[in-house]
Amino acid sequence: DVKVTQSSRYLVKRTGEKVFLECVQDMDHENMFWYRQDPGLGLRLIYFSYDVKMKEKGDIPEGYSVSREKKERFSLILESASTNQTSMYLCASSLWDRGRGEQYFGPGTRLTVT
Amino acid sequence: GEDVEQSLFLSVREGDSSVINCTYTDSSSTYLYWYKQEPGAGLQLLTYIFSNMDMKQDQRLTVLLNKKDKHLSLRIADTQTGDSAIYFCAESPSYNTDKLIFGTGTRLQVFP
Repeated sequence: DVKVTQSSRYLVKRTGEKVFLECVQDMDHENMFWYRQDPGLGLRLIYFSYDVKMKEKGDIPEGYSVSREKKERFSLILESASTNQTSMYLCASSLWDRGRGEQYFGPGTRLTVT
Repeated sequence: GEDVEQSLFLSVREGDSSVINCTYTDSSSTYLYWYKQEPGAGLQLLTYIFSNMDMKQDQRLTVLLNKKDKHLSLRIADTQTGDSAIYFCAESPSYNTDKLIFGTGTRLQVFP
């Protein structure tokens, strides 16, 4: 079974702190994704990586950066956390399959910024 | 621009059928998906349909696609309390990317 793990289920940080969210997948998938999930807004793509050291901005990249130094690991970084970044963050991975790749999700990290 | 819309809530009685609807705007979408999110968990793929199909059936699930109206629906027969979850539709906009565009999600509540 594909497994996508996220470093924390719940996280509480203060405004202005630097926050790292880690995601690891064990199926050698090329693609990895970071989303945030907010009620009534669904899932919005923050960043996407299709290979090591490769990244592409999603729909809402402002205030976030990412790092992919190894194929299995994709990190989301909040350089200076703000209260409007309080949300559920979901990581996913998929094989490259010309638009058909099923995305496998981690359990999510609920981040609260106070 | 790309936009995928769903109603936010649906409430059904156990044993009845549920129909969750979705409209999308990108007519070039190649695949359309239904994902399920149970409480406290990430999303899990339920089923998908290729854009040249009208219907796909998988046990209690029936997916209908109307390309002309850009309308996708998921029917769950004999709905059970274990089907209570948030259901997301998603579209794959082209063959050149594995990015998906997700809808807002429909929270299905099943009551006895």
